Amino acid sequence: GEDVEQSLFLSVREGDSSVINCTYTDSSSTYLYWYKQEPGAGLQLLTYIFSNMDMKQDQRLTVLLNKKDKHLSLRIADTQTGDSAIYFCAERRNAGNMLTFGGGTRLMVKP
Amino acid sequence: AAGVIQSPRHLIKEKRETATLKCYPIPRHDTVYWYQQGPGQDPQFLISFYEKMQSDKGSIPDRFSAQQFSDYHSELNMSSLELGDSALYFCASSLGDGEQFFGPGTRLTVL
Repeated sequence: GEDVEQSLFLSVREGDSSVINCTYTDSSSTYLYWYKQEPGAGLQLLTYIFSNMDMKQDQRLTVLLNKKDKHLSLRIADTQTGDSAIYFCAERRNAGNMLTFGGGTRLMVKP
Repeated sequence: AAGVIQSPRHLIKEKRETATLKCYPIPRHDTVYWYQQGPGQDPQFLISFYEKMQSDKGSIPDRFSAQQFSDYHSELNMSSLELGDSALYFCASSLGDGEQFFGPGTRLTVL
C-alpha cells in the first residue's frame, strides 16, 4: 500500500535476529499488525500493538512502535528456517476497521 | 480452533463469466472483510459487513457485489470477469472491531 511502506527483502542466517521495518503515514492509526504469509497460503496474524504502546513482546517476537516517527518494527529472535515467509505490516485507522497493508518484506533464512 | 473457511479454494473462469466466492467466518464472529491480493502485491481492502450491513467500502469494482447472510457467512459475486481480476481473494472475520483473522483465500484465475 502506498501509505504503508516496507523494505522488500531481508536475508539472515539461522539463529540470528531479524528486524523487519515498516513506516506508515496516518497518525490516526489505532492498531498496527504484523501478518505472516507463506507461499500460496493465507495471512497469519502474528501480533499487534495498540497505538498508545511503545513495545510488545510475545515469545520470540518483539514489536517496537515509534509513534512520533510513525515507525514500526518486528524483531524475530533466534530466526529459524520456518520463519522464511513474507511479512506484512498493516494499520487500522481511526475511521473504519479495514486494514491498509504494506508491500510486504520477504524474509529468507539461510541455514 | 475453528478458522475462517473459504470456498472454493481455486477457481478458473473465462473472461466475461461470473464467479461467486463464499466465506464462512469463525463461529460467533459478526464482521466479515474481503481483500484482494494481486500477484506480488499486498492485500487491498474491498468491502466489509457487520451484522449483515455493509460497514466499509474500499476499492471494489462496480462489477462486484457482496452480502452477508443471517448466519454471518458472506458471498462475493463477481461479474464480467476481466484478466486483471485474477488474484487471491481473502476473507477475514472479527468479533466487532477486534482482530481480523484471515481465511486461506480463494485463488481466482481468469483466462
